[in-house]
Amino acid sequence: EVVLVESGGGLVQPGGSLRLSCAASGFPFGTYAMSWARQAPGKGLEWVSGISYNGYATYYTDSVKGRFTIYRDNSKNTLFLQMNSLRADDTAVYYCAKNPARALLPFDYWGRGTLVTVSS
Amino acid sequence: QSALTQPASVSGSPGQSITISCTGTFSDVVHDDYVSWYQQHPGEAPKLIIYDVFNRPSGVSDRFSGSKSGNTASLTISGLLPEDEADYFCASYTSSITVDFGGGTKLTVL
Repeated sequence: EVVLVESGGGLVQPGGSLRLSCAASGFPFGTYAMSWARQAPGKGLEWVSGISYNGYATYYTDSVKGRFTIYRDNSKNTLFLQMNSLRADDTAVYYCAKNPARALLPFDYWGRGTLVTVSS
Repeated sequence: QSALTQPASVSGSPGQSITISCTGTFSDVVHDDYVSWYQQHPGEAPKLIIYDVFNRPSGVSDRFSGSKSGNTASLTISGLLPEDEADYFCASYTSSITVDFGGGTKLTVL
């Protein structure tokens, strides 16, 4: 059974940093691309970032480029999202999602999410 | 602002069929065969229900079907059940090899 568990969310002041983690199990983590998506309170889904199976290729939505970094540790079956220079509009539930081996679509499994609140 | 446009809401009675559209606002969005659809109940994570325009993952009811014509993809739910009441999102690639979601459609089962 595929299981994705996010952690690392919380309350942070504007301009601060957080690192999200996603622990994966139930599939050969190192052979699949992975993504982060987010959902602001009461809003729709927004894709944030994706990473290739080997970590060599990364992709970002424009609003987080230069502030967020996605990376992975295949030896520990863990995906990360380093978030710097956080802004109020980054407030959202952040979901980790599994992709196919060589693509960013579809998101075939999702974690339950972790809430990030950016506020003073 | 999403490049994929969905109706904000649709409704139907139990047993009826409804269709949710997902239209690309740029000529190169929704031009490929990688449109997927997600169902999200309140307080829960999204769930994949259709991928690559019309394919269903194992375990998803065959009451859910997908199609595409030109720049518009569609999700049809037949034989509506009360548990189908949820938000539905489409997703596709954009021209810059990133992913976009539609704004989402709230389905109400009357």
